[in-house]
Amino acid sequence: GQNIDQPTEMTATEGAIVQINCTYQTSGFNGLFWYQQHAGEAPTFLSYNVLDGLEEKGRFSSFLSRSKGYSYLLLKELQMKDSASYLCAVSDSNYQLIWGAGTKLIIKP
Amino acid sequence: GAVVSQHPSRVICKSGTSVKIECRSLDFQATTMFWYRQFPKQSLMLMATSNEGSKATYEQGVEKDKFLINHASLTLSTLTVTSAHPEDSSFYICSASMLEELSSPLHFGNGTRLTVT
Repeated sequence: GQNIDQPTEMTATEGAIVQINCTYQTSGFNGLFWYQQHAGEAPTFLSYNVLDGLEEKGRFSSFLSRSKGYSYLLLKELQMKDSASYLCAVSDSNYQLIWGAGTKLIIKP
Repeated sequence: GAVVSQHPSRVICKSGTSVKIECRSLDFQATTMFWYRQFPKQSLMLMATSNEGSKATYEQGVEKDKFLINHASLTLSTLTVTSAHPEDSSFYICSASMLEELSSPLHFGNGTRLTVT
């Protein structure tokens, strides 16, 4: 079956760095997405990786290793507003999105 | 960037009534629209995929006669929750994609919080 695993919850300190991991097993691979979702709101797009390596976008970076079925989202200089759920999603061979359950990130002052 | 408008943002209805939720792509043609449901503290659950001009494809366990989806044009899809029950209370989110950009990010509406009393 198809599966996306990510930690349920993480806690970090304002100003610090946090890495949210995602491992996947899917039938085919056409890219991996990271979304941010604040409570009660719809998800917003953060990043897309289809080739191995690191994609940097401001304070957020996303890494992909296709051979390991592994990705991480790196958040630097954490701010209180970064408290949210972070969803990992993989596009499979049919371009269907397989969603992880999300990682709730709690930022403490 | 691409914008998806979802309406209404909140709705409260009585048990047994029907509720229609609209999802519009404002500046692009959405060949495919997705409807999700999200219960508190849970991830998105795909309910159905709709392609313009054809019948929606429902995920296992989703009743197609209860959740009616109409994708009549390239910019509008509607989800009608028929004979709503309290257990249908949830956060419903639509998203849209363009066929020629299969690997592009989904564009989400702002969601509809449905409360059935």
